[in-house]
Amino acid sequence: DGGITQSPKYLFRKEGQNVTLSCEQNLNHDAMYWYRQDPGQGLRLIYYSQIVNDFQKGDIAEGYSVSREKKESFPLTVTSAQKNPTAFYLCASSNRPPFEQYFGPGTRLTVT
Amino acid sequence: RKEVEQDPGPFNVPEGATVAFNCTYSNSASQSFFWYRQDCRKEPKLLMSVYSSGNEDGRFTAQLNRASQYISLLIRDSKLSDSATYLCVVNQSGGYQKVTFGTGTKLQVIP
Repeated sequence: DGGITQSPKYLFRKEGQNVTLSCEQNLNHDAMYWYRQDPGQGLRLIYYSQIVNDFQKGDIAEGYSVSREKKESFPLTVTSAQKNPTAFYLCASSNRPPFEQYFGPGTRLTVT
Repeated sequence: RKEVEQDPGPFNVPEGATVAFNCTYSNSASQSFFWYRQDCRKEPKLLMSVYSSGNEDGRFTAQLNRASQYISLLIRDSKLSDSATYLCVVNQSGGYQKVTFGTGTKLQVIP
């Protein structure tokens, strides 16, 4: 089955620790994205990548980092510099016009 | 003005009713439009793309009004399973970037 996987589903960390969220897709999509969703709010773009070894900052990139070493994988690191890391993180991918995005199941990160 | 704006609702409708949501966008150069459905604590799922001529998928009809810069979603014969938040999505650039999500309209279908 083609799709996007994210792991883990729930993640708990102590303040001051970096944490890496996994995102893998087997849809052969060129573009991948990371979003953050807070309760009652819309999706906000953190980073996106159109091609391997290239990525661009989104609207709220501060405190986050990404890599795109393989087409299938786009991991997100939430660093200790991110002031409010507790959120629902969603990974997506897309390909070709009209560029509709397909989402993974998300990771709920709680930092205490 | 927000780039993509939706009425947050909630819209509480009885089973079998017809309900419609609108979504306005600010960038007249926007290229493509979508409706997504998001269930509580789940990921958004693509419901349908919105084409210039309007399109229908079963009980769902999507329309685009470029002159007034809005898209709409009509749901006929509402089912309990239609209860969810409906997100309007606008691709402003025609490329991979600049895809903007609305904050969603919550629909609750009541027995």
